Amino acid sequence: QSALTQPASVSGSPGQSITISCTGTSSDVGAYNYVSWFQQHPGKAPRVMIYEVSNRPSGVSNRFSGSKSGNTASLTISGLQAEDEADYYCISYTSSKIVVFGGGTKVTVL
Amino acid sequence: EVQLVESGGGSVQPGGSLRLSCAASGFTFSSRTMHWVRQAPGKGLEWVSYITSSGTTIYYADSVRDRFTISRDNAKNSLYLQMNSLRVEDTAVYYCTSDRNYVWFDPWGLGTLVTVSS
Repeated sequence: QSALTQPASVSGSPGQSITISCTGTSSDVGAYNYVSWFQQHPGKAPRVMIYEVSNRPSGVSNRFSGSKSGNTASLTISGLQAEDEADYYCISYTSSKIVVFGGGTKVTVL
Repeated sequence: EVQLVESGGGSVQPGGSLRLSCAASGFTFSSRTMHWVRQAPGKGLEWVSYITSSGTTIYYADSVRDRFTISRDNAKNSLYLQMNSLRVEDTAVYYCTSDRNYVWFDPWGLGTLVTVSS
């Protein structure tokens, strides 16, 4: 199972919106609405930001939103803030009943 | 407080073995599928293995199949990962995490570092 494809890096200025893509196949991202997004600050454990494509857990800012079209899922961060600077990973359940992560995207706030 | 705490990491030579443990508290451990995820130094997250709530269904990543064994003890609220025939490329921080519903991973432990080196 190949890793999902994410851009290595995305940057934006404070207050701007950015979108991170996560491209898979019809056997993973395209097959189910089971895509999650995680935020990871250096030296810290990952934290779930979005589950089931577009659902936000309690405690996660509504500046974070998720969507999916075909085999590509996306995470959008609006009103970018300095604290959003981190690594972001997508993950999907697959038709093989295993799970696969994306390679990760480093978000830089300029 | 909902919490996962990993232990058992350390340094080992190639070909050696380690057993990781993950202690759960603050949620109904016996009802959750549990996963191990690892992260090599400076690299991304890699899914390793999962075990369903009853322990009847188990899956592994190709990179660890036939070397690693996942297990759980619901009476002790604990998850385990027996790692045999360790390789240098298994060096990573190993996290345990609870699956609330198909890759809704929450919470995560703080991780335990495994270093495989001669």
